[in-house]
Amino acid sequence: DIQLTQSPSSLSASVGDSVTITCRASRSIADYVNWYQQKPGTAPKLLIYSASTLHSGVPSRFSGSGSWTDFSLTISGLQPEDFATYFCQQTFTSPFTFGPGTKMDI
Amino acid sequence: QVQLRQWGAGLLKPSETLSLTCGVNGGSFSTYDWSWIRQTPGRGLEWIGQVNHNGFAKYNPSLTSRMTLSVDTSKKQFSLRVRSVTAADTGLYFCARQSTTMTPSVLFDPWGQGTLVTVSS
Repeated sequence: DIQLTQSPSSLSASVGDSVTITCRASRSIADYVNWYQQKPGTAPKLLIYSASTLHSGVPSRFSGSGSWTDFSLTISGLQPEDFATYFCQQTFTSPFTFGPGTKMDI
Repeated sequence: QVQLRQWGAGLLKPSETLSLTCGVNGGSFSTYDWSWIRQTPGRGLEWIGQVNHNGFAKYNPSLTSRMTLSVDTSKKQFSLRVRSVTAADTGLYFCARQSTTMTPSVLFDPWGQGTLVTVSS
């Protein structure tokens, strides 16, 4: 299986900050990376797919980049509703695997 | 707007069978694959498998021996059964629509609300 690591595992930020979360794959996965946001007790929500394509309805302050093994999610101008846990996922090959998550708090 | 609603028993004893069902409200059922994903303290988010409207299922090889996915197209529902549960199966279980883009990328959206499953004697 393809393993995904994320860094940092947690971070603290303030409203208005810009933050970047990284995701590294154990082998090349082209651009088959999705990013999700999850708040406690709720299901993950899709933010970005194909490494950099913004999902419908997702604010433009979210952006993604990267290819092959290294990917990043950037949130520019944090809003109060952005404090959550973020996960990357690879869909290059089955079984589809997720990163361990990055928890962001105020 | 497609919505997924899931239900099933949340409290089980070891060795029992977990059974969850997800209903699809709105949108096409036959165009997509339908997945189950779980989130456990020990393994985080884990894709369990997918099933299409014909009942063809594909499983995560690390879980396949105890898992069964099925579908009832007439009701726009799909189900997950996990045999012989243990405490390691405790966690949140989600259903999700799995779609493939032109690129082709696979994405999971929307998700069901989640079911908390606890395995305890």
